[in-house]
This record gives sequence, C-alpha cells and structure tokens, in this order.
Amino acid sequence: AQSVAQPEDQVNVAEGNPLTVKCTYSVSGNPYLFWYVQYPNRGLQFLLKYITGDNLVKGSYGFEAEFNKSQTSFHLKKPSALVSDSALYFCAVRDGWYSSASKIIFGSGTRLSIRP
Amino acid sequence: DGGITQSPKYLFRKEGQNVTLSCEQNLNHDAMYWYRQDPGQGLRLIYYSQIVNDFQKGDIAEGYSVSREKKESFPLTVTSAQKNPTAFYLCASGPGQGDPSSYNEQFFGPGTRLTVL
Repeated sequence: AQSVAQPEDQVNVAEGNPLTVKCTYSVSGNPYLFWYVQYPNRGLQFLLKYITGDNLVKGSYGFEAEFNKSQTSFHLKKPSALVSDSALYFCAVRDGWYSSASKIIFGSGTRLSIRP
Repeated sequence: DGGITQSPKYLFRKEGQNVTLSCEQNLNHDAMYWYRQDPGQGLRLIYYSQIVNDFQKGDIAEGYSVSREKKESFPLTVTSAQKNPTAFYLCASGPGQGDPSSYNEQFFGPGTRLTVL
C-alpha cells in the first residue's frame, strides 16, 4: 500500500533563511510525487511534481524539491524564505502501478511559519 | 483554484438535515474527487469518480453520497447519517485512468466550509 509521511507538524524559519519541509513515501512501484500549498480557507495549489528525470525539481514561487530514491524522500526546499511563504504544505504520492494510478495519497500537512 | 468551482463557500446545517455541496469543473477532466479536511488530519478521501455514471467509495464514505451524471459536475450530499459533518470540504479533478497524463496532478476547488448548528 502507498503512504506518505510528513514528520513535522510545524516548521519555523526566519525570513531570508533557507527552509526545508520534509516528506517520505512508500509505494510498490515507481513514485509520482507532488507538493501542494494551502492558504487559509482556500483550496490546495499545486507547487511542483516529480514524475521521472532529474532528481531536483523546480516549481512555483522559487520552491524546489529533491527526489531521493534510496531514502524514499522528497523534501521541499527554498533558498531564502519569505513571510508570504507562511502556509500549510502537503506532500502527496501516487503509485506507479496502473491499477491505482488515479488516486493520490496526501500527507498530514506541515505548517510553515516564516517570522520577519 | 482556476477551473473548478465549489458552492456555497460557507454552509450551515441543522442536525438531521441533508445538504448538497456543488462542484463544477471546466477542465475536461474525467476524474473527480471529494476530500474532507479536519484540523491536523490532512485530507481524507470521501468519494471519487473515474468517469461519468461511475463512482467509488473512498476512505470515509459513510454518511455521504454522490452522483456523476455529467462530466463537469460531481455533487456531494452530506446526509443526516454523518454524525460529525463539520469540516472543510474540497473537490478536485484530474486526468482519468488510461489517460496518458493520468499521473499528473489534481486541481482543487476553493472549498466549502460546512458547520452544523
């Protein structure tokens, strides 16, 4: 069965410092990995995805994520945090097996707080 | 949120009432999904539909019902059997199974906040 874990409920970072939001996953086949961001009382917005190819994926708003197959991780990173990055972040995984291709499993979310 | 609309934004329900949440998409996606979000629990899948006139239960389907009569629409009814319906409900759509882009991301609507009075 596929699963995804976000081990930190909250991450606090000072503005201008680098940030990392952690994500690990478990799937049977090849993983398809996603990051979403949610602002208060809004839907989820897509940030970036890893399907295949380069392990470093670049996405919206200066975010990037690194796929590490040996550690089954897909951590979200940004070199310099902004106060406006404060939001709830979700990691998600879709198993590469065809039979479950249409379902994405979401992590529990990590609240990112950037202090001025 | 573009391409998927949900209405209403806020909904209040009295105990014992059924209420229906609307979800419409103009992205020509075959698959549609309903999630429930509670504080600290992330997203839980209620129902999903791969194609018109077909849908499957998700992880927490009890007390909910859906229909998929049109490709664009996937309404969710919260019935009186759902004992704790107060939550934020999110609708999403994406490519269906068999679509070459089926491993791509889902797109989400803005959500409906349901409160039981």
